[in-house]
Amino acid sequence: EDQVTQSPEALRLQEGESSSLNCSYTVSGLRGLFWYRQDPGKGPEFLFTLYSAGEEKEKERLKATLTKKESFLHITAPKPEDSATYLCAVQPLSGGYNKLIFGAGTRLAVHP
Amino acid sequence: ETGVTQSPTHLIKTRGQQVTLRCSSQSGHNTVSWYQQALGQGPQFIFQYYREEENGRGNFPPRFSGLQFPNYSSELNVNALELDDSALYLCASSSPDRESEAFFGQGTRLTVV
Repeated sequence: EDQVTQSPEALRLQEGESSSLNCSYTVSGLRGLFWYRQDPGKGPEFLFTLYSAGEEKEKERLKATLTKKESFLHITAPKPEDSATYLCAVQPLSGGYNKLIFGAGTRLAVHP
Repeated sequence: ETGVTQSPTHLIKTRGQQVTLRCSSQSGHNTVSWYQQALGQGPQFIFQYYREEENGRGNFPPRFSGLQFPNYSSELNVNALELDDSALYLCASSSPDRESEAFFGQGTRLTVV
């Protein structure tokens, strides 16, 4: 069964304190792995798509990496405005449609 | 280009009633997916529409149904509402040239009492 597990469930950081969020996945065949940011009561905001092991993508203070079993979202020198829930999702090759399987997310709080 | 928009933003319904949620996809996007997100959980795939036909469905009962219109907008209908249907309902659209990247609307918060 295709599955996504994110850790930790919640993370509290001081402003400027770098850290990483983990996304472990099992999928029969991977079309893509996605990272989204979600603010309370809002829809997820697209951050990155990774397609193959070894791929990396960066955006401002965020960097996403991918291996065959997991992905990391590295946050460098975070600011309070980076506080949000970060969601990881996989898109299986099978099924013929663009279904996303999400993890439960990591709630990040960055304090001044 | 305009983003994905959903209506209404909030809704309160009584158990046993029926509800219709609406979604306008981003300009140029012909694929629309619907997700249910319970509090503290990740979104769960309900179904997807491509060119007005359902082409994928998650583990949701038949009382969850949908439509896609020629302009690619979409509706999610839920019959015989149950208390557990209370959730944030998200619509996502994607384009044919960037097939994998789905862009989400702000969601509809449904409360069933």
